[in-house]
Parts: sequence; structure tokens; C-alpha cells
Amino acid sequence: QSALTQPASVSGSPGQSITISCGGTRNDVGGYDYVSWYQQHPGKAPKLIIYDVIYRPSGVSDRFSGSKSGNTASLTISGLQAEDEGEYYCNSYSSASTNVFGTGTKVSVL
Amino acid sequence: EVRLVESGGGLVQPGRSLRLSCAASGFTFDDYAMHWVRQVPGKGLEWVSGLTWNSGLIVYADSVKGRFTISRDNARSSLSLQMTSLRPEDTALYYCTRSTKLTIPGDRWGQGTLVAVSS
Repeated sequence: QSALTQPASVSGSPGQSITISCGGTRNDVGGYDYVSWYQQHPGKAPKLIIYDVIYRPSGVSDRFSGSKSGNTASLTISGLQAEDEGEYYCNSYSSASTNVFGTGTKVSVL
Repeated sequence: EVRLVESGGGLVQPGRSLRLSCAASGFTFDDYAMHWVRQVPGKGLEWVSGLTWNSGLIVYADSVKGRFTISRDNARSSLSLQMTSLRPEDTALYYCTRSTKLTIPGDRWGQGTLVAVSS
């Protein structure tokens, strides 16, 4: 159950688009369409923003979108806003019915 | 309003036990799977354990298997985590979460309860 691999940090200017990658294996990301993404602001609990690779929960901005190719999932934030600053984590269902989180990515808005 | 309120955290010596609880309200508890997720302050998230609505499937991370036991009481809308043989590396903020299925480690989260394992 090794953590999924995410870049430590990603940054962009307001209005730009950024993409966060989430690398796994065929036993997790590549084997299931069960990737979810979480946003966490300092001192707050994580918030689900994408589930099952591409779906957004009710109330989540359509500026967030998810995708997957092979063993790598991606989260794209378009029209970057100051409120998007924070930490982002991917998660994948994996073999043996467990879940594994990514290492986390700090998003900065320049 | 969905509410998940954790309790039971504290300072405990290595090798000792601790029981965490989570009181759920604002939704039909037995419609949801439940999980525990932990986070060392300033570090990343780690999924700990989860179970289906009827406890028919219970799963654990390798790091806690054999030491932690998750359980739920649907009549009381509560979730528990019995932690034994605690280690310093179990020190973390423990979140209770709910989800529509085990493949999502949480669509709603509590605020967490802090567990510190130290002599």
C-alpha cells in the first residue's frame, strides 16, 4: 500500500489552468475507475471534489475536472482563483478492497 | 445538516489502548459506508479502515491490521475505532468520514480527534 505519487507543488496565475498528476500502479489507479480528489485548506477537514475519476459532487465548481490514463490520474483546475490555494490529495481504491491516498500537492496562486 | 463528531482522542503511552468514537447525525446512518482516515499534523492523509453499511465488509490498512478494530452501531448512529498496541507512529488527527461506498474514503468528514502516542 504505497502512497500514490503527486508533485509536491503546482502554481499558476489567476485565470490560468493547472493540472495535478497522481501516479499509481495497475493495482490501484490503473485497475479501477475509483479515483477521488480532495481539497484541504489549512486547519480544515478535506473536502471531496471529484469521485469515480470524473464526477463532481453537488455544489463543487465545474472548474474542477478529473481524468485518467493508464496508471495516472489527473485533476485540472481551470480559471484558477485565489480560493483554490490549498493542499490537494488524490485517492484510489486498490486491491484487497483498501484505499490509498496520494502524497499531496500544494497549489499556489501567484 | 450532516454532522460527524469524533471523540476519545488524547495522550497515551506506547503499547496501550484507546477507543475513538464518532457520533453521526443529519443523515440516515445505515445508508452509508464509514471510514477512519488519519493525518499527522502538517503531513498527508492516510486511510485507516472502512466498513460497509451492515459491517458485511470490513477492511484495514496494512499499518493497523491486527491492532485496530472498526465497528458501528446503526441503532445509535455511531462509529468506533478500538486501537490497541499503540505506537508513536500512530500519532495523528483521526477523522471519521462517511461515503456512499467503500471506494470513496469520505464524502463528508468530521473535524477530527487528536491521538498522541508518547511515553
